[in-house]
Amino acid sequence: QKEVEQNSGPLSVPEGAIASLNCTYSDRGSQSFFWYRQYSGKSPELIMSIYSNGDKEDGRFTAQLNKASQYVSLLIRDSQPSDSATYLCAVRNDYKLSFGAGTTVTVRA
Amino acid sequence: GAVVSQHPSWVICKSGTSVKIECRSLDFQATTMFWYRQFPKQSLMLMATSNEGSKATYEQGVEKDKFLINHASLTLSTLTVTSAHPEDSSFYICSAYPGWSTDEKLFFGSGTQLSVL
Repeated sequence: QKEVEQNSGPLSVPEGAIASLNCTYSDRGSQSFFWYRQYSGKSPELIMSIYSNGDKEDGRFTAQLNKASQYVSLLIRDSQPSDSATYLCAVRNDYKLSFGAGTTVTVRA
Repeated sequence: GAVVSQHPSWVICKSGTSVKIECRSLDFQATTMFWYRQFPKQSLMLMATSNEGSKATYEQGVEKDKFLINHASLTLSTLTVTSAHPEDSSFYICSAYPGWSTDEKLFFGSGTQLSVL
């Protein structure tokens, strides 16, 4: 079983719609959870972090964490063409950060 | 946010040669840095943890004699791919935490695209 699993996509949404990304993790001892955005050929860029159960909102982005279900999600509201990228879920346990395979999102104008 | 600088951005080399990649923390001291590798359309895989003043810790399946890591100062770690072969062609990314809290975020260098001919 992979440590961090994501739907690989691709996920195609129309401009202005909500993009919903899901992630599950296997290690119940995981402490911190992150969403990174990665454009092709570039290194990941942190867009959200979440540490406790519930929702965390930052602009058009909302992260949701459910530790009991070992589930993390990211919602992108009012999706824009510039949001088209691969989104990586990352889970931290001690110092080690483990990444999912990423979900590629395409926002159609 | 913290700044991690990585050079070169891309490198093309002949099979059998060695390539050195540098990673610097510009505005913080990093006693530990992390080296990741990413193949096309795959996720980031941790290769090794670079520890200042001591030997690196390699993940299972990563050849320590092929991927030499040196962390000689609190702001510089280098990864040398020795006797590179086409299968080593990949995107290599270094990263570091600016602090030790478990809430700390990992900051990445800009990555190095290695192409071995």
